[in-house]
Amino acid sequence: AQRVTQPEKLLSVFKGAPVELKCNYSYSGSPELFWYVQYSRQRLQLLLRHISRESIKGFTADLNKGETSFHLKKPFAQEEDSAMYYCALVAETSGSRLTFGEGTQLTVNP
Amino acid sequence: EAQVTQNPRYLITVTGKKLTVTCSQNMNHEYMSWYRQDPGLGLRQIYYSMNVEVTDKGDVPEGYKVSRKEKRNFPLILESPSPNQTSLYFCASSFRDTSYEQYFGPGTRLTVT
Repeated sequence: AQRVTQPEKLLSVFKGAPVELKCNYSYSGSPELFWYVQYSRQRLQLLLRHISRESIKGFTADLNKGETSFHLKKPFAQEEDSAMYYCALVAETSGSRLTFGEGTQLTVNP
Repeated sequence: EAQVTQNPRYLITVTGKKLTVTCSQNMNHEYMSWYRQDPGLGLRQIYYSMNVEVTDKGDVPEGYKVSRKEKRNFPLILESPSPNQTSLYFCASSFRDTSYEQYFGPGTRLTVT
């Protein structure tokens, strides 16, 4: 069965500093990977997906199949980036089922 | 406006009193799902549905039931709630293709005393 691990429950950085949220997965096939974000008092929403290779709000994530990782990065963090971030995986055999990591609460301090 | 709605948003109930949390989407999505969110555990899938009359267990289905009689609705039923079902519940929907974004509802905070 697939599994997603986010080793950091809490991450705190200062505004303007680089930020990296770690995500590791275990799955023997070819997964589809996503980052979802939940701002305070808002619903969960998609931030980015690996197949589109896009940059959203300055965030990027590269799928590293050798290291089975999908870390989320931003070169200069902003206070409005403070939120809960979830890494998620869809296995090729599971239809649309998302398997989520435990989440990382990012706080960007002024 | 395309959205997923859930009702109620907040519910406090007592052990054993049956309850239903409704979920509705207006995007003609085939796939719908229920998750519970608990601190330190992230989101865990309870049940999902690939289409009308097609439902299956997720990772934590015990104590829950679902039905999918219409494409837009996917209610979550707790026949005999227990305190360990106190949690924040999210409904989500998407098209069936795995690459599509899942749209989440606003959440239902349930407390079982």
